[in-house]
Amino acid sequence: AQSVTQLDSHVSVSEGTPVLLRCNYSSSYSPSLFWYVQHPNKGLQLLLKYTSAATLVKGINGFEAEFKKSETSFHLTKPSAHMSDAAEYFCVVSDRNAGNNRKLIWGLGTSLAVNP
Amino acid sequence: DTEVTQTPKHLVMGMTNKKSLKCEQHMGHRAMYWYKQKAKKPPELMFVYSYEKLSINESVPSRFSPECPNSSLLNLHLHALQPEDSALYLCASSQGPGGETQYFGPGTRLLVL
Repeated sequence: AQSVTQLDSHVSVSEGTPVLLRCNYSSSYSPSLFWYVQHPNKGLQLLLKYTSAATLVKGINGFEAEFKKSETSFHLTKPSAHMSDAAEYFCVVSDRNAGNNRKLIWGLGTSLAVNP
Repeated sequence: DTEVTQTPKHLVMGMTNKKSLKCEQHMGHRAMYWYKQKAKKPPELMFVYSYEKLSINESVPSRFSPECPNSSLLNLHLHALQPEDSALYLCASSQGPGGETQYFGPGTRLLVL
């Protein structure tokens, strides 16, 4: 069975410093991986996705993530944090079930705080 | 355009009320989803519609009743809810049941009194 582990439930950075949100996954075959962001009292926005093309994936708002099969990781990074990056971040793996429907397996989330 | 819209944004209802949540997408997607999200938790899948037919029901209580009138619309009918049903209800869509990327609406925040 596939699973996702977000290694930090809460990360706090200063504005202008790098952001690293860590995600490990387990999968029996080549997974599709996503990062979604949720700002307070908002819906979920797709940041970026990996679907077996380039291992370094660039997303919106300056975020990127690197798929490392040997480490089963998909960490999210940004060179310089902005106050508007404060939000909840979810790492997600896509699983195909017996009915050929895709089901998303969610990590528990990482809350990112950005200090001025 | 990757927009999914949901109405209403907020809903307060009593335990004896009947209400409906609505979701709409115009991306030509053929799979649509309902999720429930509690505060500080990831979304939990409730229902999946594929080509306007219910394909997944994640053992959701019958007080939640989904409906897919056409390929662009998804409703969630609510009746006799409990206070623990208070949550953010999110709608999403994807290109097809095998389509990987799900696009989410802004959600309806439901409070059951």
